[in-house]
Amino acid sequence: SQKIEQNSEALNIQEGKTATLTCNYTNYSPAYLQWYRQDPGRGPVFLLLIRENEKEKRKERLKVTFDTTLKQSLFHITASQPADSATYLCALYNQGGKLIFGQGTELSVKP
Amino acid sequence: GAVVSQHPSRVICKSGTSVKIECRSLDFQATTMFWYRQFPKQSLMLMATSNEGSKATYEQGVEKDKFLINHASLTLSTLTVTSAHPEDSSFYICSAGGPQSGEQYFGPGTRLTVT
Repeated sequence: SQKIEQNSEALNIQEGKTATLTCNYTNYSPAYLQWYRQDPGRGPVFLLLIRENEKEKRKERLKVTFDTTLKQSLFHITASQPADSATYLCALYNQGGKLIFGQGTELSVKP
Repeated sequence: GAVVSQHPSRVICKSGTSVKIECRSLDFQATTMFWYRQFPKQSLMLMATSNEGSKATYEQGVEKDKFLINHASLTLSTLTVTSAHPEDSSFYICSAGGPQSGEQYFGPGTRLTVT
């Protein structure tokens, strides 16, 4: 069956450190993968999109990698800040034109 | 750019009544919009794809007669929860494709509570 799995445990890190979140998928061949941020009681906010032929993408303090052999994406936030605390969702865009979401990883950055 | 709004942000209704939720793309046109629901601590589950000028496409297990979708213009899609029951209480979120291929922009969500 098709699955998208993210770190189920909440991630707690110290301010200034790099947060690394994992997204693994099985039985998909996504054209691209996306990462979103969701704050409590709010809709997701688009962060980054990476295509299947791209290995890495960066945007300010964010970096995403995409390994289609391992079927895995890593999402990094460098120099993390308490304001980065949120739930981060990965999503795959399948050939049906739909976004399929992982369950999200809750990140908490302590000052 | 690429702002999506939803109204209302929060609604409480009695069991058996119907509730309409609006989703608008404010600064772009969207031929396709998507409706999701999200239970606490869970992922977003796609309910249906709303197509401007034609019928919505529902995901397996979603009752089309219960969740009525209308996409009458390029900037507005509505979701009506008919004969709502407490188990319909959830967070409903819409999205629309942005100018760049593959990007999705989400509304702020509507918290529905059925008493």
